[in-house]
Order: sequence, then structure tokens, then C-alpha cells
Amino acid sequence: KAGVTQTPRYLIKTRGQQVTLSCSPISGHRSVSWYQQTPGQGLQFLFEYFSETQRNKGNFPGRFSGRQFSNSRSEMNVSTLELGDSALYLCASSVGQLYNEQFFGPGTRLTVL
Amino acid sequence: AQSVAQPEDQVNVAEGNPLTVKCTYSVSGNPYLFWYVQYPNRGLQFLLKYITGDNLVKGSYGFEAEFNKSQTSFHLKKPSALVSDSALYFCAVRGLDSGTYKYIFGTGTRLKVLA
Repeated sequence: KAGVTQTPRYLIKTRGQQVTLSCSPISGHRSVSWYQQTPGQGLQFLFEYFSETQRNKGNFPGRFSGRQFSNSRSEMNVSTLELGDSALYLCASSVGQLYNEQFFGPGTRLTVL
Repeated sequence: AQSVAQPEDQVNVAEGNPLTVKCTYSVSGNPYLFWYVQYPNRGLQFLLKYITGDNLVKGSYGFEAEFNKSQTSFHLKKPSALVSDSALYFCAVRGLDSGTYKYIFGTGTRLKVLA
């Protein structure tokens, strides 16, 4: 089975721009979660989608948004980028039950200049 | 609000010695507890989980973890450490928080196994 894939792997943007990151989950997985990983803050939960519906949301500003498509693929969008948004963005998929483990993609490294 | 604490930023252990990476949590209701590992230049990988039942759970690569409800802890252990176990370890909990189940990760513990 193919793993979780994320595109692009690396991205450089400037302040004020917006960015869209993409995630393709493992086949058959209906839940997709997004995380922001930084050296200072560790792994911060952004949101979780299940069957095209946002199931959970972390404590991030409204500039961060996402969606999930009918094939379970997910996108995350960040508008009006700030320097502090520079991070590794991880996508994880799972079968969907609360107790299921997550499978992580390699991440998208976003640098905001 | 739920939380996870990994009190040690780094743990050093000699190869062949037992290792413990600590994790404590705070959740409402019954917790779902997980350990993940992040090797250099590789993604996060699932190691093991506790859902219910036996307090000692076994996972990948010879790791195990003990769930202690009274101490709200879920420490990761391995009887004999390998140099290849050197990595960043994350404890995570999924519990009820403000009406929804969220994943909360600890800040991570860097394990260094010395040859």
C-alpha cells in the first residue's frame, strides 16, 4: 500500500502571500489530520477531517483552513502568510475511529520570507 | 483541557541498557494513548497504543509501554537499547476536550543511545 503523500515537499513564500498544501491519504483511510511542527512548539494540531467534514479544530487563527474531498484527499490553505508560519506541515491519515493510530506523510517544509 | 507532558527534553542511555521515556497526561474520561517515533529525515511512525485492557502494551522494534491510571502516566520502555533507537519520541493522547476528541502531542523527547 502506498503511504501518505504530501505535495509540495518544499515551498518558499513571502509575507502576505497565500499557500495551499495537498495531502493524499492511504487508500481506504477516511480521516485526515494536519499538524504544524516547529522546533519551539513541537507538534500542534490544526484540524481533522472525516468524510469531507471537519471533525476537530485546533487553536489556530482563521487564516488556516482546510477541506477534504470525496476521495479523502485533503488540502490545507494558509492566507496572508506571516514569518511565524514557517514550519513543517504534516498530514496524517487513519481509518477513522478515535482509537486508530495515524500514519504520517513526509511533510511540507514551508519557509516564509 | 487535556494535556500531555514529556518532562525530559533528552534522555541519554548506553547501548544494551534499559531505557525509559516518560509521559504523563491529563484528559477527561478514558484516554487513548499513543507513542510515535521520528527518525532523522524520516516521517513520524507509530510505535504502540493503549486503548483498553492489559496495562502493558507491546509495540514495534521491541518497545513497550505501561499504562498507569492512578499516576496518569504512559512511559515508554525497552529492555535493551540499540544505537539505532536514537530518535525523537512523541507521546500523544486522544481524549474528550470541549465536546470533541482531539489529538494532543507532547513536546517530544530526544533519545540518544551511546555506543
